[in-house]
Amino acid sequence: KQEVTQIPAALSVPEGENLVLNCSFTDSAIYNLQWFRQDPGKGLTSLLLIQSSQREQTSGRLNASLDKSSGRSTLYIAASQPGDSATYLCAANQAGTALIFGKGTTLSVSS
Amino acid sequence: DGGITQSPKYLFRKEGQNVTLSCEQNLNHDAMYWYRQDPGQGLRLIYYSQIVNDFQKGDIAEGYSVSREKKESFPLTVTSAQKNPTAFYLCASSIDRGGYGYTFGSGTRLTVV
Repeated sequence: KQEVTQIPAALSVPEGENLVLNCSFTDSAIYNLQWFRQDPGKGLTSLLLIQSSQREQTSGRLNASLDKSSGRSTLYIAASQPGDSATYLCAANQAGTALIFGKGTTLSVSS
Repeated sequence: DGGITQSPKYLFRKEGQNVTLSCEQNLNHDAMYWYRQDPGQGLRLIYYSQIVNDFQKGDIAEGYSVSREKKESFPLTVTSAQKNPTAFYLCASSIDRGGYGYTFGSGTRLTVV
């Protein structure tokens, strides 16, 4: 059974810092790995999707990498802003199955 | 605009009652999902459906039931057998069973009173 773990659970940084969020998964036979953002009391918004054959994806100040052999993914946020404050969730699925989520990392960026 | 609509936004249930949460999508997505979110627990999968008239149990299906009679609709019933139903419920859909285009609704917050 796939399990997804995210560390740290919470992170506080001053505005402008570059930061890394970590995600690990137990079964390397993943189909896709995705990163989502969730604002308090809201649904989730998809940020990046990495297919199993890819090593990374980039969108603006966000870069996500995937290392299937070690069961790890990282989300890199460059030049953090207060508007980046949210919970970031990592999720993975195998072919034909639903996404399994980690518990998330709650990020707070202070101005 | 296409999207997923969950209703109601807030729902209160008395002990012993069944309640049904609505989820409708107009994205023409094949697959739909229900997740439960508790504080500090992340999202846990309740049920999912990859095609009309078919669905699979997730990790925490006990006390819940679903139907998928139409492609656009995937209602979730929280039965009286669910002992701790107070939670935030999220519905999602994806283009296909590969998980592409995962889109979430805005959620229903269920409280037992």
